[in-house]
Order: sequence, then C-alpha cells, then structure tokens
Amino acid sequence: DAGITQSPRYKITETGRQVTLMCHQTWSHSYMFWYRQDLGHGLRLIYYSAAADITDKGEVPDGYVVSRSKTENFPLTLESATRSQTSVYFCASRLQGSGYEQYFGPGTRLTVT
Amino acid sequence: GENVEQHPSTLSVQEGDSAVIKCTYSDSASNYFPWYKQELGKGSQLIIDIRSNVGEKKDQRIAVTLNKTAKHFSLHITETQPEDSAVYFCAAHFRRALTFGSGTRLQVQP
Repeated sequence: DAGITQSPRYKITETGRQVTLMCHQTWSHSYMFWYRQDLGHGLRLIYYSAAADITDKGEVPDGYVVSRSKTENFPLTLESATRSQTSVYFCASRLQGSGYEQYFGPGTRLTVT
Repeated sequence: GENVEQHPSTLSVQEGDSAVIKCTYSDSASNYFPWYKQELGKGSQLIIDIRSNVGEKKDQRIAVTLNKTAKHFSLHITETQPEDSAVYFCAAHFRRALTFGSGTRLQVQP
C-alpha cells in the first residue's frame, strides 16, 4: 500500500545545477500534479498531466520541465535551479472522471544555495 | 483563471471552541470545493469536500457550507481538539485542476 511517494525528501543544490524530483504512484491514477508551497502563497500548480505523454502548464511553470512516459511516474526537473525555486514541492494524483479528490505525496523540501 | 482567497491566515482557539475558516472564489464555473489538512512535515489530506449542487455537508465535527451566489464557502470545526492543530487549505476545482487558498494555521490551545 505504497500510495504516492516522492524522492528525495530533502535536497540541497547550488544555483545553476539541474535537479530532478521524482514522484511515483501505485494506484494507476490518470492525473498527476506538481505543486510548490511557499509561505503566504499556499499550493501553486506548476504542471499537471492528464495521462501518459500528456502534460499541461499550471500557474507557475517557468523554469520547470516535466515528462510522463509511464502512468505511475511524473518527474519534475529544474533545468537550472535558482534561489527563487527554494520551496517545498508536492506531487499529487487523482482518478480520471468526476471524482476530483487529489492524493498528495509527503513533499520534497528543496533548498537552492 | 480561478482565484481563491482564504481568511484568516492564523486562528487560535481554546480547546472545545469552534473554528471557522472562510474562502471566496472568483469563477462561477468552479464545481468542487475540497478542504485539506496539512500537518507538519506531511502532505495534505482531504478532510471534507462539497460539490456545487449541495449547500452544506457534515462529517462528525466538521462541516462545510457553500454559497454559490456569493461565491464563498466555509469550513466549520466544532468541539476543537489539540489534534486539530494544523494548516488548512481550501481549494476550488476549475477545468482540470485545483486552485488553492493561501492556508490557515489553526492552533488549538489545551
């Protein structure tokens, strides 16, 4: 009963480096989402995916790249990390259809120095 | 796109008292309104939700009300307990995604 997992849980990287955050779900949910959480902003949507090979931008996509070659995985890549990308990143998933409940992973705390 | 505003940002209550958190949304096409609870170091968990064709929903000590005309919805927690202390987020579903409020940090004083 793994559910939705994220790795790593904590990451420190330097400005300009590429870093990839992983998200894996075991429910075969069609939809997957990436959010970032910053003080005073709540959860803001970065990218989402309706199915394998289908991705779409959210509210704050600049500086991020996603891919979804398999239904269960949805990696988020910061191509050239900036200090403004220091945040807590949450992955979520949900079923397709009228049930909109999203299930969240435990989060990845990323610090860019 | 959708915009969700949430108030208050912090709320402190005595154990046993009630707590109310309010949210407003901007797009009348939004049709689903969940509330999530986030405890320290954990992901968010759904605690209650309501659809646009319903005005009120209760689950034990938790209730949500929706006023579609005014475009606002509220979370009500009665008989608060210390374990209710957490950050609460409201959200509105518009098109394919949820838009979240900025969160309310609830502290229940024993």
